Amino acid sequence: KNQVEQSPQSLIILEGKNCTLQCNYTVSPFSNLRWYKQDTGRGPVSLTIMTFSENTKSNGRYTATLDADTKQSSLHITASQLSDSASYICVVSRTSNDYKLSFGAGTTVTVRA
Amino acid sequence: NAGVTQTPKFRILKIGQSMTLQCTQDMNHNYMYWYRQDPGMGLKLIYYSVGAGITDKGEVPNGYNVSRSTTEDFPLRLELAAPSQTSVYFCASSYPRTGGNVDEQFFGPGTRLTVL
Repeated sequence: KNQVEQSPQSLIILEGKNCTLQCNYTVSPFSNLRWYKQDTGRGPVSLTIMTFSENTKSNGRYTATLDADTKQSSLHITASQLSDSASYICVVSRTSNDYKLSFGAGTTVTVRA
Repeated sequence: NAGVTQTPKFRILKIGQSMTLQCTQDMNHNYMYWYRQDPGMGLKLIYYSVGAGITDKGEVPNGYNVSRSTTEDFPLRLELAAPSQTSVYFCASSYPRTGGNVDEQFFGPGTRLTVL
């Protein structure tokens, strides 16, 4: 059973609208949670990294939140653009130098004009 | 900096053939990784290396081999390709941080492999 579950699996939104992606994890112990953006045919690129002591972090129009007590995270995309069309992957690690990361399956976001 | 580069971008193999996926990074990162990404699944770690001459198995190492003779290069070898190895392969690298700072991984563009 995957230790990182993401929802929804996919979603379609109109350009300019906001959306929120969810990530629930059961990984323990917990050190940090990362959100990656993966464009079609490309490798994942880091958006945010949050440690257990942080509950929100922003990167431009992307805002990630973390509730380490309930083991939930969300990624909010504000004023979506066509270039936001991608897969968004939630990744959890046990230690700061943990090379054995747990990856979610991703949420595919399609932004339409 | 080119970052992490991978070759080839695409490859079709016949069952039983062998090939090497190349990965090079120019960021002087100690750690390097090989992942596979299957449709609808999270990335799975195949092998990793914490420095030249040191490699270790990840979650799904069967059917693969690696070597790390230099800091920059981390090739992945497929021996006797099987249809189950059809996947997209990503190489990544990172520099281990200290003091509780997070070790961020940087990914290459991927190699799409089909075994028929």
